[in-house]
Amino acid sequence: QVHLVESGGGVVQPGRSLRLSCAASGFTFTSYGMHWVRQAPGKGLEWVALISYDGTNKYYADSVKGRFTISRDNSKNTLSLQMNSLRAEDTAVYYCARDPGWLQLRYYFDYWGQGTLVTVSS
Amino acid sequence: QSALTQPASVSGSPGQSITIPCTGTSSDVGSYNLVSWYQQHPGKAPKFLIYEGSKRPSGVSYRFSGSTSGNTASLTISGLQAEDEADYYCCSYARSSTWVFGGGTKLTVL
Repeated sequence: QVHLVESGGGVVQPGRSLRLSCAASGFTFTSYGMHWVRQAPGKGLEWVALISYDGTNKYYADSVKGRFTISRDNSKNTLSLQMNSLRAEDTAVYYCARDPGWLQLRYYFDYWGQGTLVTVSS
Repeated sequence: QSALTQPASVSGSPGQSITIPCTGTSSDVGSYNLVSWYQQHPGKAPKFLIYEGSKRPSGVSYRFSGSTSGNTASLTISGLQAEDEADYYCCSYARSSTWVFGGGTKLTVL
């Protein structure tokens, strides 16, 4: 069965960097687009970024554009999110999620990881 | 990328039906039949319920249904059960390969 496990969260000071990872298993990782979605404490969901199945196309929310970079290593079935210049408003649980389209997008999220908490605080 | 608009809370008694509206714009909900819905219990990851406005994946109860009209999508839950108490989020594809979520609706089963 599909399994997504995030890691790398923690407490970081404003302006510093952090890298999140998402280990995927139970499906052909190389054939699916992957997203990051975040949720600030007590708040709603916010889409963060998408990477295409082969890593050639990447898209970002305006709130993180220029600061965050999504990437993937298809040889290791791993999705990553490099977060630079972190701000207090980036504090959230970060989820990785799969788009269910095979080699093309279906435009929704069918499987989610359990999330990893990032806290940006001095 | 403004959030879609959902009521903060709705409530209903067991066995009743409730509907959660999700209002967007002509740049998202109104342009693409690509609204999805998610259920989230406290402390848990979201679970997807509906895709492409009204399609229900296998494994999701028939009690959950979706529809779209113009710039507004809706999720209806029939035959309310205690286990349905959760937060519900709509999401729409928007232009330029971005997605926008609603602010979420807390469902209370009385």
